[in-house]
Amino acid sequence: LAKTTQPISMDSYEGQEVNITCSHNNIATNDYITWYQQFPSQGPRFIIQGYKTKVTNEVASLFIPADRKSSTLSLPRVSLSDTAVYYCPLSRGANNLFFGTGTRLTVIP
Amino acid sequence: KAGVTQTPRYLIKTRGQQVTLSCSPISGHRSVSWYQQTPGQGLQFLFEYFSETQRNKGNFPGRFSGRQFSNSRSEMNVSTLELGDSALYLCASSPQAGANNEQFFGPGTRLTVL
Repeated sequence: LAKTTQPISMDSYEGQEVNITCSHNNIATNDYITWYQQFPSQGPRFIIQGYKTKVTNEVASLFIPADRKSSTLSLPRVSLSDTAVYYCPLSRGANNLFFGTGTRLTVIP
Repeated sequence: KAGVTQTPRYLIKTRGQQVTLSCSPISGHRSVSWYQQTPGQGLQFLFEYFSETQRNKGNFPGRFSGRQFSNSRSEMNVSTLELGDSALYLCASSPQAGANNEQFFGPGTRLTVL
C-alpha cells in the first residue's frame, strides 16, 4: 500500500512561508507525488505534482530529495484563505490516489 | 466548462437499505474515480472507471459497486447499508486513465445511515 505520513495539524501566521512535509518511505519507481488542498464541504483541489527535484507553479513549490522518500510543499506568504487540509497522495498505476488524513493548516491573522 | 457534478448532495438512509449515487464528469473526461471520506479514515479510494470498464478497485467489500455509461457518467451503489457507510462520497474525473493525471473532484454526496 502506498501509504504517506503527514503531521496532523500546523498553525502559521499570515504572511509567513509554510512548509508541509510528507513521508512516503515505500514510494515506487513509477509513483508521482501530488499535493491536493481541501476546504470544508468541497472536494480536494490539485495544487502541484512532481517526480523528483523541485517543481514550482504560481501557487506553490514542491521539493523532492534524491531518494524520494519524502516531499515538502512550500506555500509562500500564506493568507487566511489558505486555511485548509493538505494531502500528499501518491499516484500509483491508474488514477487511484492513496490519500491519508492530511495536514490541517490553520492560518492565524 | 462545467465542473464535476454529483447528485444528490445529501442523502439519509437506514441500515439495510441500498443507495445509488451519481456523478457527471467534466465534458470530455473519460476517467471517473470514486472515494470515500470519513473523519477517522480520511480519503480512501473505491474504484476507477474508464471507457465503461473498471480499471482499479480499492479495499472495500463487495457491497460497494459501480458502473460507467457510454457518456462517461458514473454511478456507485452501496447495498445493505451499515452505520459505518456514513461518509462523504467524492467523485473525480480526469481526461485519461493512467497515472499522474490531475483529478478534478466534485463537491461530494454526504450519506448518513441511521
